[in-house]
Amino acid sequence: LAKTTQPISMDSYEGQEVNITCSHNNIATNDYITWYQQFPSQGPRFIIQGYKTKVTNEVASLFIPADRKSSTLSLPRVSLSDTAVYYCLVGDRNTGFQKLVFGTGTRLLVSP
Amino acid sequence: DTEVTQTPKHLVMGMTNKKSLKCEQHMGHRAMYWYKQKAKKPPELMFVYSYEKLSINESVPSRFSPECPNSSLLNLHLHALQPEDSALYLCASSQSGGPSTDTQYFGPGTRLTVL
Repeated sequence: LAKTTQPISMDSYEGQEVNITCSHNNIATNDYITWYQQFPSQGPRFIIQGYKTKVTNEVASLFIPADRKSSTLSLPRVSLSDTAVYYCLVGDRNTGFQKLVFGTGTRLLVSP
Repeated sequence: DTEVTQTPKHLVMGMTNKKSLKCEQHMGHRAMYWYKQKAKKPPELMFVYSYEKLSINESVPSRFSPECPNSSLLNLHLHALQPEDSALYLCASSQSGGPSTDTQYFGPGTRLTVL
């Protein structure tokens, strides 16, 4: 499985757009990119998943350039409740199971 | 219902105790997972069950013994644990036991403390 590199932490203010970038230089052809959010003492929660270009859902957008060696999670107009750890994961959709290998994650702190 | 439940929420046990963690889902998922998470660290995969059969064991010590009685239930039996086993134990499930991009749904975890 490809390894991921993320910034350890980020700070933002309420109402701002936050972009968290993940580097996955050795991503393979079959790998897809998934982001999870985790609050303290809770299980991770799926945010978004993509393979290429741009994916958008009701909470976030995921931008993936053509070479797929990086990806950017975009959170529009964050609020205090978006303070959490965000994990980027890269996994092979053709393996037997969703074997998730979490990276170190990015701690996002949203201030008033 | 997209909920994975775990019991107990908190557990304190001695090194000679035997205890069990329980996980349940009613989403019809056929794959279930156990993860271990230490403080300020990412979750680490321990076991994967697919169609009630153990499919992945990430070289977990034998003092951790998983069990999948049916497709909705997953247990983790604990025996002779060490203080360093204290962690948040997370259960997850996903729709298919085969190749897929299905989302993994996580439970809230059991906070385990080994004295």
